[in-house]
Amino acid sequence: QVELEQSGAEVKKPGSSVKVSCKAPGGKFSGYGMNWVRQAPGQGLEWIGGIIPVFGAAEYAQDFQGRVTITADESTKTVYMELSSLRSEDTAVYYCARGRGPVVYWSFDLWGRGTLVTVSS
Amino acid sequence: EIVMTQSPATLSLSLGERATLSCRASQSVGNNLAWYQQKPGQAPRLLIFGASTRATDIPARFSGSGSGTEFTLTISRLQSEDFAVYYCQQYKNRPPGSFGQGTKLDI
Repeated sequence: QVELEQSGAEVKKPGSSVKVSCKAPGGKFSGYGMNWVRQAPGQGLEWIGGIIPVFGAAEYAQDFQGRVTITADESTKTVYMELSSLRSEDTAVYYCARGRGPVVYWSFDLWGRGTLVTVSS
Repeated sequence: EIVMTQSPATLSLSLGERATLSCRASQSVGNNLAWYQQKPGQAPRLLIFGASTRATDIPARFSGSGSGTEFTLTISRLQSEDFAVYYCQQYKNRPPGSFGQGTKLDI
């Protein structure tokens, strides 16, 4: 079973940054949209942005523009999401999700297990 | 912004019953609609894409229908593992406005 392997939980101070990774060791990666979706405690799903690694250009949701950077390393089949200027409302589980094809924002057929990011002073 | 509205918020049914979940889009999304299942502590799982196409390894008791602004997810005979939260997602337009708020299917 192909899996997306995400980095471990993080605890951050308000105003700091966090960088979460997602590795796709055995599966399709370079030509597929690799996305980040977050879920605050007890809440629904929110798309943050994504990237097609072979093209390299990331796309972001308006609400995160200027605060998020998504990058990809094709050699290690890893995608990264860095979120800056963290505030308590950013406390959430951050999921890596692969799109079904070469489009950044599409339906997502493979998900990582999630990375809990807690923002607290 | 496309607003996705799911109903009901909670649906309480018994094993073996039929479940009908609804998702409405504030403007047409064609058939660019997906359904996901999420169990506590787990990531979402893709059930349906293209409004009616089952994803890999999804049982035939799950079916999707609709187009434009009105969509339905039907689970023909509920099994214990089906009790979860279900989300719809439009992918016609880039967010804002992508996922519905979810329907919790309770036993």
